[in-house]
Amino acid sequence: GENVEQHPSTLSVQEGDSAVIKCTYSDSASNYFPWYKQELGKRPQLIIDIRSNVGEKKDQRIAVTLNKTAKHFSLHITETQPEDSAVYFCAAPAGGNQFYFGTGTSLTVIP
Amino acid sequence: NAGVTQTPKFRILKIGQSMTLQCTQDMNHNYMYWYRQDPGMGLKLIYYSVGAGITDKGEVPNGYNVSRSTTEDFPLRLELAAPSQTSVYFCASSYAGGAGETQYFGPGTRLLVL
Repeated sequence: GENVEQHPSTLSVQEGDSAVIKCTYSDSASNYFPWYKQELGKRPQLIIDIRSNVGEKKDQRIAVTLNKTAKHFSLHITETQPEDSAVYFCAAPAGGNQFYFGTGTSLTVIP
Repeated sequence: NAGVTQTPKFRILKIGQSMTLQCTQDMNHNYMYWYRQDPGMGLKLIYYSVGAGITDKGEVPNGYNVSRSTTEDFPLRLELAAPSQTSVYFCASSYAGGAGETQYFGPGTRLLVL
C-alpha cells in the first residue's frame, strides 16, 4: 500500500522568502498528487495538484514539482505573505478511490 | 450551492454513548468520504462511498458505521464512544474517485469523548 511522508513538520520563513515542503511516496503506480491548505479551524482546501505525466505545475506564487524516479513531490511557495500561514497537506492515491495524506506542515510567515 | 455541510459543529459525548454525525452535499457528487484528523496529524480515511447503497472501509474503520441511502447524505455512526475517538471529523465529496478528482471538504465536526 501507499506510504506518504511529509517534511518538515513546521516551517517558519520571513515574509517575502520562499517556502518548500516535500513529500515522498512509496507506490510507483501513484499518478496524482494534490496539495491542500488548512487554515486554523477551517476545512482543508485544494490549492494545487499535479499528475504524473508532467514534472512541474505553476499557479501564480505556488508551484508543485514531481520526481517520479525518486518518488517525491514538493510544494514551492514564492514571495510568501502572512496569509500563507497555514497547515499544508500532501496526498497520494492509495489504490482505487482512497488517498493517503501526509502528516502536515505548519507554515508560519513572519511579517 | 452550499457545498458540503456537516452537523453538529461540536459535541461532547460520554464514554459508551452513541451519536450520528451528519453530512450532506448538494453538488450531485457520487463519491463521499469520512476522515478523522487528530491533533498534529494528517487525515485518516474512515469509510467512503462510491454511490448510493455502496460503502467501503478505509484505513481506520473500527468503531464506526456508515450508510448511504441517497446521493446527498452520508451519515457516520459512532457506537459505544471511546476517548480514542476524540478528534475532528471531516466529510468530503468528489464527482468521481481516484486520480484527478478534487475532494471538497465540509467544515468539520469536533468531537470530545470524556
